Amino acid sequence: EAQVTQNPRYLITVTGKKLTVTCSQNMNHEYMSWYRQDPGLGLRQIYYSMNVEVTDKGDVPEGYKVSRKEKRNFPLILESPSPNQTSLYFCASSGGAAEAFFGQGTRLTVV
Amino acid sequence: KQEVTQIPAALSVPEGENLVLNCSFTDSAIYNLQWFRQDPGKGLTSLLLIQSSQREQTSGRLNASLDKSSGRSTLYIAASQPGDSATYLCAVGRSYIPTFGRGTSLIVHP
Repeated sequence: EAQVTQNPRYLITVTGKKLTVTCSQNMNHEYMSWYRQDPGLGLRQIYYSMNVEVTDKGDVPEGYKVSRKEKRNFPLILESPSPNQTSLYFCASSGGAAEAFFGQGTRLTVV
Repeated sequence: KQEVTQIPAALSVPEGENLVLNCSFTDSAIYNLQWFRQDPGKGLTSLLLIQSSQREQTSGRLNASLDKSSGRSTLYIAASQPGDSATYLCAVGRSYIPTFGRGTSLIVHP
């Protein structure tokens, strides 16, 4: 079954404690991206990747890092999380002009 | 930079009505347009995908149209039901990574 898997689904952490949200897809897609969703602001793109070792900033990259060492994985790293990064995060992948597939979301709370 | 606007932001209708959700985008050089449904606090469910060369797609009671030249898409929901209550998101694909509108929050009351 084609899918994008994010982990964890829920996470509560403290300010400044580094964390990683993993994202994996099984469709051999070149394109992957991370979004955050906040009330009233919709989904905003954080980072995207066009292929292995190729990443670029989206609309709201501050405070985030990503890496794309393998085609299937695209982890999102928060080196020093802050409360304003409390949000619902989605990972997505696509294989070109075909539809984009989304993970189930990760609800992150930073206290 | 692609800007995607969805109108209305919220909609409340009685069961059985036919309704139209609108999506407009500023850059017509797109690869595709995708409509999603999102239930509160949940993930995204893909409803319809329209490639840039297509004019419309249909799935059950849903019909989505695309007019690339004018930068518009509409999602038509026929005979709405309470189970259709959700937020509907329009995502425009350019450079293969979708840009989202802020969504239309739909409530269908019995």
